[in-house]
Amino acid sequence: AQKVTQAQTEISVVEKEDVTLDCVYETRDTTYYLFWYKQPPSGELVFLIRRNSFDEQNEISGRYSWNFQKSTSSFNFTITASQVVDSAVYFCALILNQAGTALIFGKGTTLSVSS
Amino acid sequence: DAGVIQSPRHEVTEMGQEVTLRCKPISGHDYLFWYRQTMMRGLELLIYFNNNVPIDDSGMPEDRFSAKMPNASFSTLKIQPSEPRDSAVYFCASGPSSYNEQFFGPGTRLTVL
Repeated sequence: AQKVTQAQTEISVVEKEDVTLDCVYETRDTTYYLFWYKQPPSGELVFLIRRNSFDEQNEISGRYSWNFQKSTSSFNFTITASQVVDSAVYFCALILNQAGTALIFGKGTTLSVSS
Repeated sequence: DAGVIQSPRHEVTEMGQEVTLRCKPISGHDYLFWYRQTMMRGLELLIYFNNNVPIDDSGMPEDRFSAKMPNASFSTLKIQPSEPRDSAVYFCASGPSSYNEQFFGPGTRLTVL
């Protein structure tokens, strides 16, 4: 069975701190895709990144970076120099490369950044 | 493109009433998904369609829930009769394939009194 675990329910930081959101996934498939979504207080779900299981190269996009490690089944997300606008719920998700499967979301991590 | 469009954005109804939620996916996307989000259960997939055909409805909680996709640009999620425990935010999402990123609509916040 497939599963995504985000052990951190809530994280509070002060502006300019770095913060890492953890994501651990479970699957026996060798081909799969991992995602991060952001849900700001306004409620919409915003796509951040998609990674396939064969690409373990870390990715950086501005203040955001992602660390994918198959050895530990983790796909962690780091925000550098956090800002108040980063306050949101962040979801990690997994999908298999099989017809008929669906996106499996973790429970989400609520990040609060104070000024 | 305008993105995924959902209507209404907010719906307040009384227990026992029929509720219909609407979704217009992004043009060209072959997949359409309906999710429900609650504090207790998080984000749950209810049903998804591929080329207007329902593929997996195992997440639909009860027979009171039904979903249709009569054409590539429109889908509905109907609850009849509604109950207070159906109160949640319902999201529609679309994507070009089942394993590409999904683009979410703004959601419909349903309150059943």
